[in-house]
Amino acid sequence: EVRLVESGGGLVKPGGSLRLSCATSGFSFSTYSMNWVRQAPGKGLEWVSSISGRSTNIYYADSIKGRFTISRDYAKNALFLQMNSLRVEDTAVYYCARASPYDILSGYYYFDYWGQGILVTVSS
Amino acid sequence: DIQMTQSPSSLSASVGDRVTITCRSSQSITSYLNWYQQKPGKAPKLLIYAASSLQSGVPSTFSGSGSGTDFALTISSLQPEDFGTYYCQQSYSSPWTFGQGTKVEIK
Repeated sequence: EVRLVESGGGLVKPGGSLRLSCATSGFSFSTYSMNWVRQAPGKGLEWVSSISGRSTNIYYADSIKGRFTISRDYAKNALFLQMNSLRVEDTAVYYCARASPYDILSGYYYFDYWGQGILVTVSS
Repeated sequence: DIQMTQSPSSLSASVGDRVTITCRSSQSITSYLNWYQQKPGKAPKLLIYAASSLQSGVPSTFSGSGSGTDFALTISSLQPEDFGTYYCQQSYSSPWTFGQGTKVEIK
């Protein structure tokens, strides 16, 4: 069974940092690209970042580029999102999502398994 | 960036009704369009990928169609458990963008 479990969220002041983790199990971690998708309170879904199976290709949304860093640990089968210089508008539930087993730029790139989400609140 | 526009923003329908949600992209995305269902307080769930392929385990009452810039998600016979918000997502090019969502309520 595929499982994705996020952790590391919480309340942080503007300008602060947080590191989100996503523990995974039930699949061959290095085979799949992984992603972060967020949802601000009462709003729609926003893709944040993607990392390919072997970490050779990384993509970021413009809204977080230069502030957030995605990475993965193959020994721990874990995905991370280091979030620096946080802004009020980064407040959201952050979801870890596994991507389909195709190349990121193949077009057949969809999110087939999702974690339960973790809330990040940026407020003074 | 490719903009995705869904309509309607919300709808209310009765059990057994046929429901259609449309999604339009700001440029051609061929068939690289995916659909998700999200229930309140829960993570999104993949329903349809590549415009018309049904994800494993999803009821056959759900179907997808379209290509180019115009797409549709159809629920052939609405069930009580089909309430929630539905999102389309393009996977043609980064940044992967979602529609604003369509909230489906059961009358």
